Amino acid sequence: AQRVTQPEKLLSVFKGAPVELKCNYSYSGSPELFWYVQYSRQRLQLLLRHISRESIKGFTADLNKGETSFHLKKPFAQEEDSAMYYCALGSSNYKLTFGKGTLLTVNP
Amino acid sequence: GAVVSQHPSWVICKSGTSVKIECRSLDFQATTMFWYRQFPKQSLMLMATSNEGSKATYEQGVEKDKFLINHASLTLSTLTVTSAHPEDSSFYICSALPLRLAAHTDTQYFGPGTRLTVL
Repeated sequence: AQRVTQPEKLLSVFKGAPVELKCNYSYSGSPELFWYVQYSRQRLQLLLRHISRESIKGFTADLNKGETSFHLKKPFAQEEDSAMYYCALGSSNYKLTFGKGTLLTVNP
Repeated sequence: GAVVSQHPSWVICKSGTSVKIECRSLDFQATTMFWYRQFPKQSLMLMATSNEGSKATYEQGVEKDKFLINHASLTLSTLTVTSAHPEDSSFYICSALPLRLAAHTDTQYFGPGTRLTVL
């Protein structure tokens, strides 16, 4: 069975500090991993995906198949990064399995 | 582009009544839409996959007679919560997969959600 684990429910950092949101997955096939973000009172939106290896809003995430991880990182957090972050695993038929989410708070 | 709307954004109903929630893709066609349920401060749980022109496929543990899904056109899917009870109170979110798809899961676009409260 596929599973996504985000061990931290809450993460609080100060502005300018590095931030890392952890995500581990369990999947027997070749995984597609994503990070979604939900800002306050807004809908869920895609932040980045592992296949594109891009950096969005300063965030990056590297798929580590050996550790089955897809941690989200940003070297210098900004206040506007405060949001709920969900790691998601894509499988057949375009289904997504979400982790429980991490609420990131960036303090001034 | 790629906007998904949901209607209503919130609804309060009495126990035993049925409630219909609409999910529309506003500027694209979608043969596949997904319905999720989100409990307070919890993750999104996939309930079912809605396919235009065919029956929806439900995830394990989701009662198909309780949560009726109709994908009537390439831009509209509806979720009807039948005989609603207080435990059905939740945030229901849909997503839509564009018809012209680059075969990647990440091209799902999410609606803003509908908050259902059953008294």
